[in-house]
Amino acid sequence: EVLLTQSPGTLSLSPGERATLSCRASQSVGSSYLAWYQQKPGQAPRLLIYGVSSRATGVPDRFSGSGSGTDFTLTISRLEPEDFAVYCCQQYGDSPWTFGQGTKVELK
Amino acid sequence: EVQLVEFGGGLVQPGGSLRLSCVASGFIFNTYWMHWVRQAPGKGLVWVSRINSDGSSTTYADSVKGRFTISRDNAKNTLYLQMNSLKTEDTAVYYCARDPGPSGWYDYWGQGTLVTVSS
Repeated sequence: EVLLTQSPGTLSLSPGERATLSCRASQSVGSSYLAWYQQKPGQAPRLLIYGVSSRATGVPDRFSGSGSGTDFTLTISRLEPEDFAVYCCQQYGDSPWTFGQGTKVELK
Repeated sequence: EVQLVEFGGGLVQPGGSLRLSCVASGFIFNTYWMHWVRQAPGKGLVWVSRINSDGSSTTYADSVKGRFTISRDNAKNTLYLQMNSLKTEDTAVYYCARDPGPSGWYDYWGQGTLVTVSS
């Protein structure tokens, strides 16, 4: 099973600042099969990024994904008030598909 | 508009059974693989099971294998999860999710239904 470790656990930032979230896999994620989701309290996850760097429909271009192998990054270029949430990565290269434990982006 | 609506959650005693349903609308249900993903209170997301578009192939997480059964009725646009021999550690919000690939990532999720296993 591929273990995904996200860091930091919590990121305290202000609107307008840049957020850089890390997701590290315990083994290489095949064929760039990595996605990112945003989740707000009491809500279902929302797809942001798939295939490491492809933005889902309707996702603003301030969200970008990068990385390869075992190290991946989600960057939010300039935080908007609605971006404060929990973000988690997911690998779907090997079954069972696994998720990271999440990074909370909170208002500083 | 794509919609996924789950039903069937509730309180059940350890060892009991429950069947979850996920009703799909706004897309051609029988062309998509579907998954169940769960989230224990305050915890991260955990993949549970997936089924292919015609229901002929299923896969399960080791933690639920032999106890849970995923199925679908394409005529009713409905996905199911039959959960037997429930354990306290199965307590979670259960989400159904659409796999657009099929590849294993999810472009639409339901709102979730809470399953609580407790005596």
